[in-house]
Amino acid sequence: AQTVTQSQPEMSVQEAETVTLSCTYDTSESNYYLFWYKQPPSRQMILVIRQEAYKQQNATENRFSVNFQKAAKSFSLKISDSQLGDTAMYFCAFWDSGGYQKVTFGTGTKLQVIP
Amino acid sequence: KAGVTQTPRYLIKTRGQQVTLSCSPISGHRSVSWYQQTPGQGLQFLFEYFSETQRNKGNFPGRFSGRQFSNSRSEMNVSTLELGDSALYLCASSAGPPLGYTFGSGTRLTVV
Repeated sequence: AQTVTQSQPEMSVQEAETVTLSCTYDTSESNYYLFWYKQPPSRQMILVIRQEAYKQQNATENRFSVNFQKAAKSFSLKISDSQLGDTAMYFCAFWDSGGYQKVTFGTGTKLQVIP
Repeated sequence: KAGVTQTPRYLIKTRGQQVTLSCSPISGHRSVSWYQQTPGQGLQFLFEYFSETQRNKGNFPGRFSGRQFSNSRSEMNVSTLELGDSALYLCASSAGPPLGYTFGSGTRLTVV
């Protein structure tokens, strides 16, 4: 079974600074997808960024980018120019694209952006 | 395009009762998944439905059940409620893994 580990339960960052959230996973699959989701206090889970395992290029969405290291099974999220609205829980997710297409979430990292 | 709609938003029930939660996915999404979220356990997968069939199931007791209708709307039911069932229940729909999930706002269930 796949496992997803987020080793930082809580983090804080000053507004306008850069922060990196870590995520590691364990799988024997070669084809899969990785996601970062954001859950602000309003509780709506929002997709932040996605990465396809067969693509070597790291995904980028505006201020959000990932560092995908397939061999190391690492998928970290970098938030640049942090804004107060980035305060939220961040979840890393692994999606097995095989027959059963199961999704596994990490335990989350609570990010606080400090003004 | 309308998002994923979950009803009701909040629910208070008494131990031993049963409850039904509803989820309307994004139009065209045939897969609907349900998650239970609690502070201590994080996001726990309940089950996934695809074209009216349960495709995946998590490790929850049989008191938790679900179904999906021909229009892809889904319901989950919890019978004989226990205090530990108090949680945020999230529904997510998907058109396939490359696009990921779109989540609803959740139903906050409190069992007293």
